[in-house]
Amino acid sequence: DSGVTQTPKHLITATGQRVTLRCSPRSGDLSVYWYQQSLDQGLQFLIQYYNGEERAKGNILERFSAQQFPDLHSELNLSSLELGDSALYFCASSSGSGLDTGELFFGEGSRLTVL
Amino acid sequence: GEDVEQSLFLSVREGDSSVINCTYTDSSSTYLYWYKQEPGAGLQLLTYIFSNMDMKQDQRLTVLLNKKDKHLSLRIADTQTGDSAIYFCAESYTGRRALTFGSGTRLQVQP
Repeated sequence: DSGVTQTPKHLITATGQRVTLRCSPRSGDLSVYWYQQSLDQGLQFLIQYYNGEERAKGNILERFSAQQFPDLHSELNLSSLELGDSALYFCASSSGSGLDTGELFFGEGSRLTVL
Repeated sequence: GEDVEQSLFLSVREGDSSVINCTYTDSSSTYLYWYKQEPGAGLQLLTYIFSNMDMKQDQRLTVLLNKKDKHLSLRIADTQTGDSAIYFCAESYTGRRALTFGSGTRLQVQP
């Protein structure tokens, strides 16, 4: 158990809809990362938050947004969903102190299926 | 930009050694990692190596780093069926904590 909790584990929705994925980081970790894993694109970095502020942006679509709340949990919002958004979405956390090895601790992922 | 590449598939017999290879392009990488993903699970860190090291051994795992060729390998000795999984290499550098992952190598261990 990595200590990172993601909900929901599975989600099936239709094109054009909007969903919210939730992540609770490991206790004490200030950084949260979102990754998308699909068959054809591998593991793609979407966005990172550190202590409530956006720290780095990767290949995140404009239809997607995220935030990190004062209690450090994070949400990834996916809107105007398309078939190609079907993927496994991972949240990971780290201490963010910059003094560690940079290891990321991953949740078990939220599997999104868009029909 | 940074890019990390791996072969997609490796099949070995139980008891043999497995060697999974990875190449990266970012010469400023500080840490290089090997993660394991079992079916239906998230990624779990197996081991990492600091960029000023050439080799790191941890029980059945040996990591070799060739900085000149930007080549990283993971050797698993006495491979077991429980080692069947997808193995990802990843890199990061100071100032960028988000890891860049390779596409993953699916290791199949045949009894």
